[in-house]
Amino acid sequence: QQQVKQSPQSLIVQKGGISIINCAYENTAFDYFPWYQQFPGKGPALLIAIRPDVSEKKEGRFTISFNKSAKQFSLHIMDSQPGDSATYFCAASKGGNEKLTFGTGTRLTIIP
Amino acid sequence: SAVISQKPSRDICQRGTSLTIQCQVDSQVTMMFWYRQQPGQSLTLIATANQGSEATYESGFVIDKFPISRPNLTFSTLTVSNMSPEDSSIYLCSVDAGRVRGYTFGSGTRLTVV
Repeated sequence: QQQVKQSPQSLIVQKGGISIINCAYENTAFDYFPWYQQFPGKGPALLIAIRPDVSEKKEGRFTISFNKSAKQFSLHIMDSQPGDSATYFCAASKGGNEKLTFGTGTRLTIIP
Repeated sequence: SAVISQKPSRDICQRGTSLTIQCQVDSQVTMMFWYRQQPGQSLTLIATANQGSEATYESGFVIDKFPISRPNLTFSTLTVSNMSPEDSSIYLCSVDAGRVRGYTFGSGTRLTVV
């Protein structure tokens, strides 16, 4: 059962543009929503995470928007750079040492 | 984030053999999670390892195939037993390092079974 749906599967964005990746979840018990960045041959690296008590969290060029009523959250990468080219995974958990459920991943390519 | 040391980073193994993957965390954690990532795919949880008790396995994964040890609060091993080419994947350990540090991952073990 796919509890976290991620889209798009792949995304090409011009350098300097905004990259937007979307995720939707089903389980209303989820209360921790991280995004991971993964480069080839590396493990996923925690990028930014949000909990449902806020609707937005920003860290540098990365912003998570969270819509609790719609059960959706998204990652926005402002001023996208070629170094941002990677695979991005959204995830969700009930928090407190509960397992993460991952989305299917988005392969992001930033072109000059 | 918590620092996780995972080894080996990669290995090529003969079918029918076993490989043990180790994860060492730089702080004490209650739970350690083991994931599998097949080529080009997302991460799938294999099992959750709690110190002092049997690991809890997800549907489709069994202890005989993926035995796990958790001898203390900073260390765990995952063994991939009686390997077949279908076991070729990246295996990753992860911990919840708390509300501030979040869930972090080891660098992964890239396993190729020939």
